[in-house]
Amino acid sequence: DTEVTQTPKHLVMGMTNKKSLKCEQHMGHRAMYWYKQKAKKPPELMFVYSYEKLSINESVPSRFSPECPNSSLLNLHLHALQPEDSALYLCASSHVGTGNNEQYFGPGTRLTVT
Amino acid sequence: AQTVTQSQPEMSVQEAETVTLSCTYDTSESNYYLFWYKQPPSRQMILVIRQEAYKQQNATENRFSVNFQKAAKSFSLKISDSQLGDTAMYFCAFMKHERRGNLIFGKGTKLSVKP
Repeated sequence: DTEVTQTPKHLVMGMTNKKSLKCEQHMGHRAMYWYKQKAKKPPELMFVYSYEKLSINESVPSRFSPECPNSSLLNLHLHALQPEDSALYLCASSHVGTGNNEQYFGPGTRLTVT
Repeated sequence: AQTVTQSQPEMSVQEAETVTLSCTYDTSESNYYLFWYKQPPSRQMILVIRQEAYKQQNATENRFSVNFQKAAKSFSLKISDSQLGDTAMYFCAFMKHERRGNLIFGKGTKLSVKP
């Protein structure tokens, strides 16, 4: 199984809503990532989890709150978002360490903030 | 800081022909990884090919091959026998050896394969 799954595929939320994005992988990867991708732009790294612990936070606003409940799951909790947060949110996973460190991406959640 | 530059925002190629996408990068590191990722329209990003900087041999994956010139800091992707399914945005990406996980992407090249 070389698949990273993400739910939901699409999400529309108001600025006062609270919602969560979910990511799951069963490849035995111990590193998981959240990226934000605006239209026609490359992905921008938001967070990295290594062995279920947050290892990189790229100065992301606190209205985005990541969570890694176990080695297969990664959540991104959203609260009080702004319209400029509308984007494709990508999850990825990889092995930790040298060697097989390529990241496998999920299909993304397309988020619209109204 | 590391930067990745893709100087061709858009390219097109006829089906069955060969096309080369350019990528240059700037780093003071000696040990790092380079990747080409493909993102088809409305579909997920997939890894095309991977190169480790300490390996002089250019990586190949079926119709995809790279020309890695470490001294020139160049990492171009050659697609042979282009197929309609190769139509996608292609991103070149850099990763430092000791900061694994932090992929630095170029701005991408939109490739259109025409029948």
